[in-house]
Amino acid sequence: GAVVSQHPSRVICKSGTSVKIECRSLDFQATTMFWYRQFPKQSLMLMATSNEGSKATYEQGVEKDKFLINHASLTLSTLTVTSAHPEDSSFYICSALAFFGQGTRLTVV
Amino acid sequence: GENVEQHPSTLSVQEGDSAVIKCTYSDSASNYFPWYKQELGKGPQLIIDIRSNVGEKKDQRIAVTLNKTAKHFSLHITETQPEDSAVYFCAASLNTGFQKLVFGTGTRLLVSP
Repeated sequence: GAVVSQHPSRVICKSGTSVKIECRSLDFQATTMFWYRQFPKQSLMLMATSNEGSKATYEQGVEKDKFLINHASLTLSTLTVTSAHPEDSSFYICSALAFFGQGTRLTVV
Repeated sequence: GENVEQHPSTLSVQEGDSAVIKCTYSDSASNYFPWYKQELGKGPQLIIDIRSNVGEKKDQRIAVTLNKTAKHFSLHITETQPEDSAVYFCAASLNTGFQKLVFGTGTRLLVSP
């Protein structure tokens, strides 16, 4: 199947700093990608839909100024967690078509 | 909007037994139903999917059935092995060209040797 690559797999950052997570489609072009958040032992929660060349669409309750999404090319979407706080610690996962990246474990200390 | 329910939340079987996980969906317009296996600390891995014009699909030890009238679909794993132990998620979406998925709550499958 298609390959979606996500980096980094783990990141630890200090409170107040920003963290960027990259999601790449390796063998296909993706005009749309999705960003999910997953809490321990829970299902995936859709955060936003990333649209190439236009603004992302955020789900209700997701702060667009906190979770900045940029989809500048047909193979790359980025999620930046701005001014991170400990409550932002979570597992973030991207997808394109029906395929998912490896996920990023973010820990804010 | 779409709502997907999944049962059971946990399932324990002996190696070699079969495992069945069931999901129901609410939006009759949904027409794409993938199943994912997620191991600890990893992203979900697509293991099988089915579209609404098909009632059943099989891939080696894994099969999925779909009943559009009743709006439910099921995952069947035969001859289970310890490496099948993981969390399994069902999902549903409108096949509009970009796959916005609505997920079930997950089933933790434990296969004991």
